[in-house]
Amino acid sequence: AQSVTQLDSQVPVFEEAPVELRCNYSSSVSVYLFWYVQYPNQGLQLLLKYLSGSTLVKGINGFEAEFNKSQTSFHLRKPSVHISDTAEYFCAVIRRRGGYQKVTFGTGTKLQVIP
Amino acid sequence: SQTIHQWPATLVQPVGSPLSLECTVEGTSNPNLYWYRQAAGRGLQLLFYSVGIGQISSEVPQNLSASRPQDRQFILSSKKLLLSDSGFYLCASPNLGNTEAFFGQGTRLTVV
Repeated sequence: AQSVTQLDSQVPVFEEAPVELRCNYSSSVSVYLFWYVQYPNQGLQLLLKYLSGSTLVKGINGFEAEFNKSQTSFHLRKPSVHISDTAEYFCAVIRRRGGYQKVTFGTGTKLQVIP
Repeated sequence: SQTIHQWPATLVQPVGSPLSLECTVEGTSNPNLYWYRQAAGRGLQLLFYSVGIGQISSEVPQNLSASRPQDRQFILSSKKLLLSDSGFYLCASPNLGNTEAFFGQGTRLTVV
């Protein structure tokens, strides 16, 4: 079975400060890793994903994440946040196999950017 | 790429009334389809998934049911809503190879 842990349910940060949203996963098989963002009353939008190759992945809106296999982590970072980054962020994993595979999500981290 | 259409966007229903939420997919054929529910502070819970027409699997026992009458249509239903059915419902579908999941805009359901 696979699981995803987002330890921080809420992260307040001042505008233009850096931020890191933490994600740890557990799985007995290789997985793909994702970060999604959800703005209020909207669906989920893909921020970035790690499939293979370089462990540092760059996404939209200036976000990046680093895959660390030994620590089973995929933390999301941004060097300088904007008010518009206020949203909920979900880490997710999916097994590296074809056919039906369940996407497993973390419980989400609400990022609140303070002016 | 795939596009997921979901409606309605918001819904307020009384306890005991029926429910029907619809999801349709464009840009692919024979997609795997998911229904998720997002309740406050509980993240995204997978309710149902479907790998084909008429094929529905339930992840958790509940007051809801799902159907897939057509290849790219996925419906979430209830005969009698409960207060605990309130939440934000999302339809999703992965692309081939499972390298990305696409989501609808969601339905905010409030049962009163």
